[in-house]
Amino acid sequence: SQTIHQWPATLVQPVGSPLSLECTVEGTSNPNLYWYRQAAGRGLQLLFYSVGIGQISSEVPQNLSASRPQDRQFILSSKKLLLSDSGFYLCAARTGPSTDTQYFGPGTRLTVL
Amino acid sequence: AQSVAQPEDQVNVAEGNPLTVKCTYSVSGNPYLFWYVQYPNRGLQFLLKYITGDNLVKGSYGFEAEFNKSQTSFHLKKPSALVSDSALYFCAVRAFNTNAGKSTFGDGTTLTVKP
Repeated sequence: SQTIHQWPATLVQPVGSPLSLECTVEGTSNPNLYWYRQAAGRGLQLLFYSVGIGQISSEVPQNLSASRPQDRQFILSSKKLLLSDSGFYLCAARTGPSTDTQYFGPGTRLTVL
Repeated sequence: AQSVAQPEDQVNVAEGNPLTVKCTYSVSGNPYLFWYVQYPNRGLQFLLKYITGDNLVKGSYGFEAEFNKSQTSFHLKKPSALVSDSALYFCAVRAFNTNAGKSTFGDGTTLTVKP
């Protein structure tokens, strides 16, 4: 079975500082990968998804970017954080039509001050 | 376009009583439906899914859900609630041919089970 790792678990950053959140997946290959943001413990907003190395699709215009340098690595970045970037960031992986289920990592709590 | 509605922000039940968390969906074509649970400051945990076949789906921790095509619903149920079931529950939907398997999630329902 697959395991999804995210780090760091928590992060406090000043406004205007850069950001790099990392997600790695074990136990599977060629997954679809997703970045979500969850504000105030409620609904999930899909930020980016990737169907392969170097292939990134953005769902909403924003201050963030994503990259997939390796098959099982997905990175969320920003050059300059805004207060509104605070939230709980979740990485998810979907491993093909036979399972067709998204599995989530433990999340990163980002606070921008 | 696909969408999910969880009409109740909060559901309160007494321990030992049955629980239902409601979900309705809208999608073009056949739906794939999912339920997840989230505990505070944790990622979402997969509970169960409906892809095809029997309308009653059984999942983890004694939960089950019934797919009702005519009512476009996929309500989550459990015969006897536990205090440890208290958490945030998400319903999700995607059409079978959605690009990149993107799912749409509901806004979540907070379940509180009181002793």
